[in-house]
Amino acid sequence: AQSVTQLDSHVSVSEGTPVLLRCNYSSSYSPSLFWYVQHPNKGLQLLLKYTSAATLVKGINGFEAEFKKSETSFHLTKPSAHMSDAAEYFCVVSQSTGNQFYFGTGTSLTVIP
Amino acid sequence: EAEVAQSPRYKITEKSQAVAFWCDPISGHATLYWYRQILGQGPELLVQFQDESVVDDSQLPKDRFSAERLKGVDSTLKIQPAELGDSAMYLCASSGLAGGHWSYNEQFFGPGTRLTVL
Repeated sequence: AQSVTQLDSHVSVSEGTPVLLRCNYSSSYSPSLFWYVQHPNKGLQLLLKYTSAATLVKGINGFEAEFKKSETSFHLTKPSAHMSDAAEYFCVVSQSTGNQFYFGTGTSLTVIP
Repeated sequence: EAEVAQSPRYKITEKSQAVAFWCDPISGHATLYWYRQILGQGPELLVQFQDESVVDDSQLPKDRFSAERLKGVDSTLKIQPAELGDSAMYLCASSGLAGGHWSYNEQFFGPGTRLTVL
């Protein structure tokens, strides 16, 4: 069985400060892990993905995430928040070659000027 | 770059009317998904197709919702009759193998259809 837990439903940071969005996963198989961002009234845009290659994954817009098998975590980070980062973020897990994807409940990021 | 297409982008309808949404997945993707996303919540899977066959429709309200993918390419999601509680974003996604030597399934989303039922 596979599942994802996003530990914070809301995160608020000041512009220019670091961002940390937490995600823990459960998977019986070698997982693929994804972070998506969704701006209001938009579809989901892929930020980055882990697919059993490098454990530190760099994505778009300065985001990165580290796969930690021992902690079953895939936290999303960014060194310096920008106003345009304010959005909803979803962590997703799937079996590497499977076609079922399991979503977390989302984390709403607010950036304070 | 290949994209998932959806139409319309926005739809306003009155309750008890019929509505239909269309999705064209990325060429070659065998798996197609329809999700419903209520404001402030995460996407909820309504139906998953593998080619033209339904592999999961356990969360589809079958008394009013129907979905088809007749030729295993594009897909239509219909609601009849629409209810106030159906107001939501309807997202379509497709998935296929990527990554070259080390293959993995990756899911690609369309822009969504925002449905408002009055």
